[in-house]
Formats: sequence, C-alpha cells, structure tokens
Amino acid sequence: KAGVTQTPRYLIKTRGQQVTLSCSPISGHRSVSWYQQTPGQGLQFLFEYFSETQRNKGNFPGRFSGRQFSNSRSEMNVSTLELGDSALYLCASSLGQGEDGYTFGSGTRLTVV
Amino acid sequence: GQQVMQIPQYQHVQEGEDFTTYCNSSTTLSNIQWYKQRPGGHPVFLIQLVKSGEVKKQKRLTFQFGEAKKNSSLHITATQTTDVGTYFCAGGDSGGSNYKLTFGKGTLLTVNP
Repeated sequence: KAGVTQTPRYLIKTRGQQVTLSCSPISGHRSVSWYQQTPGQGLQFLFEYFSETQRNKGNFPGRFSGRQFSNSRSEMNVSTLELGDSALYLCASSLGQGEDGYTFGSGTRLTVV
Repeated sequence: GQQVMQIPQYQHVQEGEDFTTYCNSSTTLSNIQWYKQRPGGHPVFLIQLVKSGEVKKQKRLTFQFGEAKKNSSLHITATQTTDVGTYFCAGGDSGGSNYKLTFGKGTLLTVNP
C-alpha cells in the first residue's frame, strides 16, 4: 500500500515569493497534519485537517495556510517567504485523530535564499 | 499550552551499551507515542502507550508510561549501529474537543562501532 507522498522533495525559493506544498495521504486516511522541522526547534505543529476542515492549528503566522480536498489530499501554502522559513516540511496522515499514530511522508526540503 | 520536554538532547554510546531517553509532560496525557527518525529520513511511528504504568517491549526496546501519565521513557539494551537516529516522544491530549499531539524535541543517539 502506498505511503504518504509529498511533492516536491526539494524547493529553492527567493525571499518574498510564495510556495505551495502538496501531500497525498495513505488511502483511507482522512486526517492530514503538517509539521515544520528545523534543527533548533524540532518538530513544530502547523495545522491539521480532517474531512476538509481545519481541526487544529499551531502557533504560526497567517502566512502559513493550508487546505484539504475531498479526496483527503492536502496542500500548504506559505506566502511572503522569509529566510527563517527554510526547513523540512513534513506531512503526516492518520485514520482518525492520530491516536493510533501518524505515518509521515518523506518531506519537502524548502530553502529560502 | 501543553509542553513536552525530552532529555537528553544528545547521547553518544559505544556499541553494546544501553541507552535511555526520558520524556516529561507539563500536563497529564491521554497517551504517548514514540517515533524514530534516521539521519536524512522522516519520523517513523514505533509504538503507543495508553495505560498508566504500561510497559511494552519491542525486541531490545522497552517503553514505559508513568503512573501519573505525565512521563515516559524509552530504553534500548545493547545498542547497535542500526539504532542511530533521533527518538521523539509525542504526548497526546484528548482533553479538548480535538485530539492534539505535541512532540518533544527528540534525543539524537549516535553509536560508536
């Protein structure tokens, strides 16, 4: 069974640009969560979607947004990129609310120059 | 909000030595999950503990959940080079309307062969 697929794997963007990352969860998984991982801050929760509704949100500025489609695929968008947004962005899916564990994708490595 | 602290931040051991990482939450948890992230990889779900005082084993790995459901530990017996990676605990909170998972910053384990 296919795992969680994130595209693209790598991205280089310039400050001020915007970027959209995509995540396809495991078939049947309705919950998709997004995390930002940096060496200094670890795994920081961005938001979680379930059945196209944002269910939880972390403490990130409004430049970070997301959505989920009816097929459970999710996208996250970062506008007006800053150098500090350089990170590994991980998507994780679960059947329900994550109580049984998350399956992570390989991530998108975003570099802002 | 809920905070999950994990210690130590780094641990270097000789192959064959034991290793333990500890996780402490500022609030009582519904459950705790453990993940392993190999260098250059993504977090992989290892196990979930739900009951107070629960102990689970996976080969050389032993996971414990404290009686008060506020702390947890992961112990690896006789480490091998394949154990290298960052081990994350994640505390689950079902207290609000939605389940929330908060990750610790992880313990990076390196093993000298």
